[in-house]
Amino acid sequence: QVHLQESGPGLVKPSETLTLICTVPDASIESFFWHWIRQPAGKGLEWIGRVYPRGSANRNPSLKSRVTMSLDTSKSQFSLTLTSVTAADTAMYYCAREGGAGRGLDHWGQGTLVTVSS
Amino acid sequence: DIQMTQSPSSLSASVGDRVTITCRASQNITTYLIWYQQRPGKAPKFLIYGASSLESGVPSRFTGRGSGTDFTLTISSLQPEDFATYYCQQSYTTPRTFGQGTKVEIK
Repeated sequence: QVHLQESGPGLVKPSETLTLICTVPDASIESFFWHWIRQPAGKGLEWIGRVYPRGSANRNPSLKSRVTMSLDTSKSQFSLTLTSVTAADTAMYYCAREGGAGRGLDHWGQGTLVTVSS
Repeated sequence: DIQMTQSPSSLSASVGDRVTITCRASQNITTYLIWYQQRPGKAPKFLIYGASSLESGVPSRFTGRGSGTDFTLTISSLQPEDFATYYCQQSYTTPRTFGQGTKVEIK
């Protein structure tokens, strides 16, 4: 079992930048693709994007201009930065591992709740 | 983007019932279809990949079928722990997209 752990500020003011970190417990960060997904309260899952071991990334076009993702193999962490947040960005944010090309997200963090409010 | 449409949005069933959830993709995704289960307050749990392959540890009462654009998830005999919301997701291309979810409730 791979235990992913999200960390972040919990509360962010409108128009500010949100940064979340996901810690991977071992060196497997270099062997898989890593994803961010979010879920507003009572709603469905929205894919934010994924980052590759060599630092490339794919982003949801609906968020693309505001999203940056990166991967730090030395720390076994990957990160999500979302700029110019609004109340619509309030959600539970999950990090997850893609278990193989096209295989799906086989390990998830427990999620971190982000609230955008002044 | 590939749109994923699940039906029904919710259903009520009893322990022991057989239930089937449908997921339709807006274009051919071959068998790049994933199913997840999400219990309240928890992260989604990976159930099925490749449309029909059961993840290790997932009970055999869960069955996935389909290819192309039409897929189903069947629970052969509903157990108390199966009352949850189920999501399909295509892993054919990016952006990855999810269905809107099907909530399975106790009748």
